[in-house]
Amino acid sequence: KQEVTQIPAALSVPEGENLVLNCSFTDSAIYNLQWFRQDPGKGLTSLLLIQSSQREQTSGRLNASLDKSSGRSTLYIAASQPGDSATYLCAVNFGNEKLTFGTGTRLTIIP
Amino acid sequence: NAGVMQNPRHLVRRRGQEARLRCSPMKGHSHVYWYRQLPEEGLKFMVYLQKENIIDESGMPKERFSAEFPKEGPSILRIQQVVRGDSAAYFCASSPQGSGGPNEQFFGPGTRLTVL
Repeated sequence: KQEVTQIPAALSVPEGENLVLNCSFTDSAIYNLQWFRQDPGKGLTSLLLIQSSQREQTSGRLNASLDKSSGRSTLYIAASQPGDSATYLCAVNFGNEKLTFGTGTRLTIIP
Repeated sequence: NAGVMQNPRHLVRRRGQEARLRCSPMKGHSHVYWYRQLPEEGLKFMVYLQKENIIDESGMPKERFSAEFPKEGPSILRIQQVVRGDSAAYFCASSPQGSGGPNEQFFGPGTRLTVL
């Protein structure tokens, strides 16, 4: 069964710190992986897309890595800010067009 | 280029009524996906459509739910005889026609359905 797991479910860090969010998936034959941000009661904002042939993608203070062989991806956030507080979702496309989502990590940045 | 549009943003129905959720994909996108997010749960795939075709409906409940993406107009997710358990946020996503496989999906703001 193709599954996506995100641990921890919640994370609190002081403002200014760098942090890493984790995502693991059960099938290494993925097509691509997306990281999203969801604010309470809102929709999903796509942050980064990594194709299976890539090892990392960067956008501003965000860097996402992909290690297919170990079934893992990480989202690195540098110099965290209170505005980064949100739920971060990892979603994997296993090649069948639909995204399989993790349950997310709820991030709180403490001012 | 407007993003994925969904309406209504909030919908309240009484048990037994019908709910119609609309999704207009981004301009130039021919693939539409519907996902459901139940309270305190993750997003789950429901259905994948292209114009006038249902490609994958493996996530759709067997009864009361249907989806369409006509040649003209938005994609519609229809829920007949709603029950309280249908209360959830329903998200639509779209992607352009792929040249070699799945592309990045862009999500709309969602429709939050409340069944009284």
